[in-house]
Amino acid sequence: EPEVTQTPSHQVTQMGQEVILRCVPISNHLYFYWYRQILGQKVEFLVSFYNNEISEKSEIFDDQFSVERPDGSNFTLKIRSTKLEDSAMYFCASSVGRWDGYTFGSGTRLTVV
Amino acid sequence: DAKTTQPTSMDCAEGRAANLPCNHSTISGNEYVYWYRQIHSQGPQYIIHGLKNNETNEMASLIITEDRKSSTLILPHATLRDTAVYYCIVGMNRDDKIIFGKGTRLHILP
Repeated sequence: EPEVTQTPSHQVTQMGQEVILRCVPISNHLYFYWYRQILGQKVEFLVSFYNNEISEKSEIFDDQFSVERPDGSNFTLKIRSTKLEDSAMYFCASSVGRWDGYTFGSGTRLTVV
Repeated sequence: DAKTTQPTSMDCAEGRAANLPCNHSTISGNEYVYWYRQIHSQGPQYIIHGLKNNETNEMASLIITEDRKSSTLILPHATLRDTAVYYCIVGMNRDDKIIFGKGTRLHILP
């Protein structure tokens, strides 16, 4: 069964450093998403991406965040200057169409120290 | 936030059918009902979705009431591996996202 692949599985970074989280969505999917989950809290929407541009973003997704699909297969989330409160599990997801079910990756655990 | 109401937690005996209710009384005509689950620390997993008709796949059945104000997810023969948080989500057709609520924590008891 096709999977969404995320790397790395765990990243530790110092406060103020830039991090890039990587995702390889399912190849025939057209819609891409990033979500995050702080330990013990709800899964929160960050951003959706379609046709090479952001289609929707949440209040969490401020100027410190950016997304890119650099080469037609990878989908990345960059956090420019990490804060302690950015520590969370980050999930990438993709879907074929706008109203189809999302396939989520297994996540990257980001720890900011 | 998600426009759904779910019980906080439920128990079900292994081998029995697990019936998870969801209230979405303010759903509008073109909004889908989606069900996902999250097994501890893993990424959410899509289960099933529907608009008006009942739906069935290899994982579960989705029963939507005629007025569409509520639905039930049915896991026909629950196993210990079905222990997870189950999310009922109403998909807004103008938005390119789904919003997770708190869900129902389902415990399958041996």
